[in-house]
Amino acid sequence: NAGVTQTPKFQVLKTGQSMTLQCAQDMNHEYMSWYRQDPGMGLRLIHYSVGAGITDQGEVPNGYNVSRSTTEDFPLRLLSAAPSQTSVYFCASSPRTPLGNEQFFGPGTRLTVL
Amino acid sequence: AQSVTQLDSQVPVFEEAPVELRCNYSSSVSVYLFWYVQYPNQGLQLLLKYLSGSTLVESINGFEAEFNKSQTSFHLRKPSVHISDTAEYFCAVSDFGNEKLTFGTGTRLTIIP
Repeated sequence: NAGVTQTPKFQVLKTGQSMTLQCAQDMNHEYMSWYRQDPGMGLRLIHYSVGAGITDQGEVPNGYNVSRSTTEDFPLRLLSAAPSQTSVYFCASSPRTPLGNEQFFGPGTRLTVL
Repeated sequence: AQSVTQLDSQVPVFEEAPVELRCNYSSSVSVYLFWYVQYPNQGLQLLLKYLSGSTLVESINGFEAEFNKSQTSFHLRKPSVHISDTAEYFCAVSDFGNEKLTFGTGTRLTIIP
C-alpha cells in the first residue's frame, strides 16, 4: 500500500493563479481531510469529507474548494492564490469506526505564493 | 468548541535526560486524545492515543502519556531521550464519534548532545 500520496511536493504560484493539490489514498478510508501548517499555529483544518460525494468546511475554508467524487481522491483547489496561502498542506485519511481513529498523513505540499 | 494548548513552543533537552511535553485541552464532551510526531521534512505520524480504559498509554519507542480528566491534561513523557527524538510533537483532541481533530500549536523538541 502506498498510503496517502500528495502531489506536487513543492509549488510556487503567482498571486491570482489557480491550482489543484492532489491527494489520494489506497486504504479505502472514508474520512479524508486537508490541513494547512503554519509556524506557531499548528495544523488547521481546511475541508473534510466523510465519504464520496460529501464534503464540509473546517476551520479555515476561505479561498479553497474541494470535491470527493471517489473514495480514493480528495483534491484541494486554490481558486485565486494569495500570499496568505503560503503554507505547507497536508492531506490525511482515516477509517470511520465508532472508536477514535488514527489519521494517516501524506508527506505534504509546500506552497509558496508570490 | 474544543481547544488544545501546548504551552511550550520549544523544549531543549540534553541527551539521556528526561522530558515532559505539556498538553491541556478543553472540551464539553468526552474526548479522544492523541500525540503525533513530525520528523524534519516529513508528515505527521501517530505516536500514541488515549481512547478509554487505562489512563496511562505507551508508545513503542519509550514515550508515555497520562490522561488526567480532572486537570484536562495529556502530558507526554520520556525518561531518557535520544538524538533521534528530535522532532515536533503535536497534541490533538477529537470528540467521541467525531473524526475531526483539533491540534495544538506544537512543541519542537531539540536534543542536545
